[in-house]
Amino acid sequence: AAGVIQSPRHLIKEKRETATLKCYPIPRHDTVYWYQQGPGQDPQFLISFYEKMQSDKGSIPDRFSAQQFSDYHSELNMSSLELGDSALYFCASSLGGRDPRYNEQFFGPGTRLTVL
Amino acid sequence: GQQVMQIPQYQHVQEGEDFTTYCNSSTTLSNIQWYKQRPGGHPVFLIQLVKSGEVKKQKRLTFQFGEAKKNSSLHITATQTTDVGTYFCAGPSRGSYIPTFGRGTSLIVHP
Repeated sequence: AAGVIQSPRHLIKEKRETATLKCYPIPRHDTVYWYQQGPGQDPQFLISFYEKMQSDKGSIPDRFSAQQFSDYHSELNMSSLELGDSALYFCASSLGGRDPRYNEQFFGPGTRLTVL
Repeated sequence: GQQVMQIPQYQHVQEGEDFTTYCNSSTTLSNIQWYKQRPGGHPVFLIQLVKSGEVKKQKRLTFQFGEAKKNSSLHITATQTTDVGTYFCAGPSRGSYIPTFGRGTSLIVHP
């Protein structure tokens, strides 16, 4: 079965640079979520999209933005990178994001971002 | 805002012993989801409970959702080394679609 695809898997950037992370959700899933996970931490919700429209915002810094395109893939754009942005970034998708009976999330393998 | 607490943070067990992790939310949940994350891996969905008092089993794993829909537990019988990982509970409070994750319980199984 198709899974959530994320690219790149690893990314190294310098401070103040920009980064773009990509996510390809499972086909026919209507909701995409972005999470940030620091070492030993739980996934922190950043932002989500329902049917290509931004639906919820969590602890996403103003330096970050995201969008979902007509083909349902999503991109997380990060600017003015700081050392503290080093983390694993997960994308997840769900089918029936608005229905509490069916909104289980399927996570991608993550992008490990290191800011030097 | 909603807070989801999990205890314990770490649990060391000998292979064959049982293990339980507890999840408590500060608000009533629409559902509770459980995920397992292996070291270096990504969270993998295990199960979702929706009804008050619901109990579900997956082989050696038993999941419960409290009557008030504010707490949940995961019990593993006779742990195996393949059970190693961090177990997260996550649940959206009523009126929200975004699950808040607990801090997770890291299970270490000693052979």
